[in-house]
Amino acid sequence: AQSVTQLGSHVSVSEGALVLLRCNYSSSVPPYLFWYVQYPNQGLQLLLKYTSAATLVKGINGFEAEFKKSETSFHLTKPSAHMSDAAEYFCAVSPINQAGTALIFGKGTTLSVSS
Amino acid sequence: KAGVTQTPRYLIKTRGQQVTLSCSPISGHRSVSWYQQTPGQGLQFLFEYFSETQRNKGNFPGRFSGRQFSNSRSEMNVSTLELGDSALYLCASSPDRVTEAFFGQGTRLTVV
Repeated sequence: AQSVTQLGSHVSVSEGALVLLRCNYSSSVPPYLFWYVQYPNQGLQLLLKYTSAATLVKGINGFEAEFKKSETSFHLTKPSAHMSDAAEYFCAVSPINQAGTALIFGKGTTLSVSS
Repeated sequence: KAGVTQTPRYLIKTRGQQVTLSCSPISGHRSVSWYQQTPGQGLQFLFEYFSETQRNKGNFPGRFSGRQFSNSRSEMNVSTLELGDSALYLCASSPDRVTEAFFGQGTRLTVV
């Protein structure tokens, strides 16, 4: 069965610092990969997605992620953190050979940004 | 274009009761998925409907059920509520294959 591991349930950075949120997946076939962000009492907002095109994916709000098949990773980065980036981030996968839209989520990483 | 609409936003029910949650997908989207979010278990897939047919199902007991109407609107029902069913229930809509899923604001269910 496919799974997603997000290393670090909580990451703290200073405003202006690099943001790095880690995500590893387990699959024999590279799946579709996604990063979502969730603000308190809100639903999930899609940041970016990998669907077997370019391995470096750019998303909204200055975030990007790089798909590395050899490392089965899809880490999320942002060069300079803003206070407004404080939220919970979820990595998700969807099996590429499965009909339908069943997403498997990681446990999430809470990002705190201090001034 | 209107987003995914979930109603109600908040709900309080008593153990043993049943509850129905509603989701209106983005216009033109035919796939609706449901997820349960809890602090302990995180985000878990419940089921997915496409063109009124259940296409995928997660590992939840039969007390959790759903349906989709011809206009793609979907409802999920939980019968014989348990305290552990307290959660944020999220609905997501997609055009077809999951190239991306758009989520609603969720329904916060509290079982007392």
